[in-house]
Amino acid sequence: NAGVTQTPKFRVLKTGQSMTLLCAQDMNHEYMYWYRQDPGMGLRLIHYSVGEGTTAKGEVPDGYNVSRLKKQNFLLGLESAAPSQTSVYFCASSTRGEPTQYFGPGTRLLVL
Amino acid sequence: GQSLEQPSEVTAVEGAIVQINCTYQTSGFYGLSWYQQHDGGAPTFLSYNALDGLEETGRFSSFLSRSDSYGYLLLQELQMKDSASYFCAVNEDSNYQLIWGAGTKLIIKP
Repeated sequence: NAGVTQTPKFRVLKTGQSMTLLCAQDMNHEYMYWYRQDPGMGLRLIHYSVGEGTTAKGEVPDGYNVSRLKKQNFLLGLESAAPSQTSVYFCASSTRGEPTQYFGPGTRLLVL
Repeated sequence: GQSLEQPSEVTAVEGAIVQINCTYQTSGFYGLSWYQQHDGGAPTFLSYNALDGLEETGRFSSFLSRSDSYGYLLLQELQMKDSASYFCAVNEDSNYQLIWGAGTKLIIKP
């Protein structure tokens, strides 16, 4: 039981490049979330999904897109990376009716 | 606006008790969660309060007062491994979207 996994663990991009971050969970959770964490700050919700095929915007969605084609996977896309998107990105999942969110190990993204 | 306030840093001695406070102002409220995050690691769930009162889980306890928009995390018998950042987070709706505080860095001295 791997829990929540994220790939890649670390990535360096140049401004304007695109990339996709992959999150996978094997706990059959309905809800999945993408957060970003900047130094000295709490996590901020980018997008979330309450089920396969559904997504919704969170607190800071601009510059990001997401897709949830399969229940176990939640993809976060950056179409044209900007230095302001340098951050640590965490994926999390939870089951309906339970408050506990389970987090992946994070992806460290540096945009030059 | 939405905001959660918690101290940026707390220092305590190994074996002691420490309390980390959290006050919140949010548009909705379903419950208050606490998470622990070690440097370079991912947040891990500690506790959740939906109703007023104290919840105890081993050395950790969490308290909520909905009328005061206030909660705290109490850590007893502090160990060096408890050195970490602690975040309070509010569930604003039934989808368990979380609004996070900026975190409290707990420094434990021997």
